[in-house]
Amino acid sequence: AQSVTQPDIHITVSEGASLELRCNYSYGATPYLFWYVQSPGQGLQLLLKYFSGDTLVQGIKGFEAEFKRSQSSFNLRKPSVHWSDAAEYFCAVGLSGTYKYIFGTGTRLKVLA
Amino acid sequence: KAGVTQTPRYLIKTRGQQVTLSCSPISGHRSVSWYQQTPGQGLQFLFEYFSETQRNKGNFPGRFSGRQFSNSRSEMNVSTLELGDSALYLCASSPGQINQPQHFGDGTRLSIL
Repeated sequence: AQSVTQPDIHITVSEGASLELRCNYSYGATPYLFWYVQSPGQGLQLLLKYFSGDTLVQGIKGFEAEFKRSQSSFNLRKPSVHWSDAAEYFCAVGLSGTYKYIFGTGTRLKVLA
Repeated sequence: KAGVTQTPRYLIKTRGQQVTLSCSPISGHRSVSWYQQTPGQGLQFLFEYFSETQRNKGNFPGRFSGRQFSNSRSEMNVSTLELGDSALYLCASSPGQINQPQHFGDGTRLSIL
């Protein structure tokens, strides 16, 4: 069955430190991959997406993600975290050949001043 | 370009009542999806409509229903409300192809007393 796993429920980093949020998926075909961010009381905002081509994609707010087919992973990174990055982050997979998206359970990021 | 608009933002109901939530998608988007978000379960897919037809459905009881109008606006109805229906209900719109990201509204917070 198709699934998306975000192994880390909570992550705490200091402001200015680097960040990596993990995402693994299980899907037999080529997936369409997305990362979203959700601030408290708001909906999800798209950070970046991967469809094909260069496996390193750049997004908004200084985020990037790398698609590794061999590891079925799509990890999100940021070189230097800002206090305003504190939020919940969701990885999602669009299943090619269908119209379905599957979301991970999210990783809540806390940033220490 | 206006984003996805959900109304109302907050609702308080009692057990046994019914409720209707509304979603206006981004202009030109023909697909509208509904999700239930709770702290323990993450985003759970309810259903998706495309050009007034339900194209996908999640694993929710029949008390949860929806529809889409010719202008792509969508409504979700929950009948015989239960305490467990307390959640943030998110609507997302997209042009309709799986390689296109969804755009989310800020949600309707439903509380059942």
